[in-house]
Amino acid sequence: EVQLVESGGGLVQPGGSLRLSCAASGFTFSSYWMHWVRQAPGKGLVWVSRINTDGSTTYADSVKGRFTISRDNAKNTLYLQMNSLRAEDTAVYYCTRPGGSYAFDIWGQGTMVTVSS
Amino acid sequence: QSALTQPASVSGSPGQSITISCTGTSSDVGSYNLVSWYQQHPGKAPKVMIYEVSKRPSGVSNRFSGSKSGNTASLTISGLQAEDEADYYCCSYAGSSTWVFGGGTKLTVL
Repeated sequence: EVQLVESGGGLVQPGGSLRLSCAASGFTFSSYWMHWVRQAPGKGLVWVSRINTDGSTTYADSVKGRFTISRDNAKNTLYLQMNSLRAEDTAVYYCTRPGGSYAFDIWGQGTMVTVSS
Repeated sequence: QSALTQPASVSGSPGQSITISCTGTSSDVGSYNLVSWYQQHPGKAPKVMIYEVSKRPSGVSNRFSGSKSGNTASLTISGLQAEDEADYYCCSYAGSSTWVFGGGTKLTVL
């Protein structure tokens, strides 16, 4: 079964750091681009970041310079290192895989990040 | 990277058809046939319903269809059913390996 499982969310103070993980299974992880998408409570989906198969990365302007996406193909795991966290980063963070097109066909269950003092 | 514009809410009765619009710019929706639509039920992860403007993934009902004209994409749901009640999001490739979502539309089945 194709599956993505996020972990690492929690409560962190403003200015703090957190690293999210996304464990992939059921497909050849190294062959796929991977993305992070977030959703603030009661709000819409927002694209956060992408990493392609050779490790090149792109970011939304709102997180550029603060977040770093990475992957470990040997561990079939995607990461999101989040630094200098702000209250507005509070959200459920989903990892997602695009299929043959640019659409996101596989999603994890999400992990909640709360930034608050 | 401004969000695509969707109506906040739409509603329809069972059996009716509804259309949700998604307006972007010439830099995203207007430039690429890479618009996708997602259905999200409360507390659940999104599910892709349409990709590449009008293609349906295997397993998605043919009651769902997509189209695009200029900078505006649309999702049409025909023969509304109670289980269609959910939030719907459009998403477009925006160039330079970035993506942008719409603000979301809450569909109520009356």
